[in-house]
Amino acid sequence: QSVLTQPPSASGTPGQRVTISCSGSSSNIGSNTVNWYQQLPGTAPKLLIYSNNQRPSGVPDRFSGSKSGTSASLAISGLQSEDEADYYCATWDDSLNGWVFGGGTKLTVL
Amino acid sequence: QLQLQESGPGLVKPSETLSLTCTVSGGSISSSSYYWGWIRQPPGKGLEWIGSIYYSGSTYYNSSLKSRVTISVDTSKNQFSLKLSSVTAADTAVYYCARRAAAESDAFDIWGQGTMVTVSS
Repeated sequence: QSVLTQPPSASGTPGQRVTISCSGSSSNIGSNTVNWYQQLPGTAPKLLIYSNNQRPSGVPDRFSGSKSGTSASLAISGLQSEDEADYYCATWDDSLNGWVFGGGTKLTVL
Repeated sequence: QLQLQESGPGLVKPSETLSLTCTVSGGSISSSSYYWGWIRQPPGKGLEWIGSIYYSGSTYYNSSLKSRVTISVDTSKNQFSLKLSSVTAADTAVYYCARRAAAESDAFDIWGQGTMVTVSS
């Protein structure tokens, strides 16, 4: 059971906008910034969003992040087939004194 | 650019100690801006942070693994290492090393390709 809760799956058609949620608590998302990682099949995770809504260099602006209270969201607009991957949220947990990840959401592009 | 590469045995017997090394190339592990961490992913499952280390040697570990984990750093070799003792089949996973840019993104921004470790007799 992951500390951060994500839906196990999400889907959309090319061009659509999809969102993936990440729910936590006051000790993690409620008091720290959230990062998102994209893991393409058979590869290592890649940093997609940091500090709730910042994109590293090279990440398309189709990807955006937001946070409100103890929840965060990742939005992908103009969905493309190459976006099919697993997405993980992560943050620091003040109670556990460690980094915690969501269980991951498998995004399927129909 | 900075690259990380994991190395170590791909097969470990139950009750023994898993040992992995991460070699950092294209940059210095002694930079004050970064922490270095280990994260694992059991087959078909999600990511789990194991622990992190600073170049000075200060460490912090996942509380659920703390009694079995030791992470160390060798700045002369630009490497850091993971030891996980008393392994069981539940420790079978892909093990990743990663850099955490504490002063910038405060995220794991560069990852190694990962190495699969199977615990089996």
